[in-house]
Amino acid sequence: DGGITQSPKYLFRKEGQNVTLSCEQNLNHDAMYWYRQDPGQGLRLIYYSQIVNDFQKGDIAEGYSVSREKKESFPLTVTSAQKNPTAFYLCASSSRTGWSEKLFFGSGTQLSVL
Amino acid sequence: GESVGLHLPTLSVQEGDNSIINCAYSNSASDYFIWYKQESGKGPQFIIDIRSNMDKRQGQRVTVLLNKTVKHLSLQIAATQPGDSAVYFCAENMGADGLTFGKGTHLIIQP
Repeated sequence: DGGITQSPKYLFRKEGQNVTLSCEQNLNHDAMYWYRQDPGQGLRLIYYSQIVNDFQKGDIAEGYSVSREKKESFPLTVTSAQKNPTAFYLCASSSRTGWSEKLFFGSGTQLSVL
Repeated sequence: GESVGLHLPTLSVQEGDNSIINCAYSNSASDYFIWYKQESGKGPQFIIDIRSNMDKRQGQRVTVLLNKTVKHLSLQIAATQPGDSAVYFCAENMGADGLTFGKGTHLIIQP
């Protein structure tokens, strides 16, 4: 069953802690993305990667970090510098680079602060 | 502010009726538009897309209309079913800035 897998579904962060959200895809897509969604809001781009070992900041990259060591994987770390991390995080991928391509989304990770 | 917006945050329709969800965009250079459906606690699912060289595109029970003159995008859902209840997002490709998503419209189906 091809698609994008995000884990965990729910994650809790303590004060000063870094947490990592996993995103794996088996669609053989080149591009991968991380979005943040707050209640009643649209999706905001955190980071994106168009190729392995390369990634670009999106609109709200502060307090987040990513890596792209493998084509299939694009983990997102929410660092302690992110003071308001509670949100629904969505990973997506697309078959080609460039923005005129539809994104395929994972099922999301809900991050909350303890 | 966001260039992609919505006219109604919540739309309530009777089961079996047709639904029309609207979006406005501000960038006349946008060349690609896409609609997603998102159910509570899940990731967005692709519904339909349209490029700027088209005015209309049809899928299964859905139609997207693009009016470039007034920079307006709409999603029509025919014979609305209970499973259509969700939040619907439009997004536009603004070139180097990537996809910009609207806040979404919550579609509620009345029995």
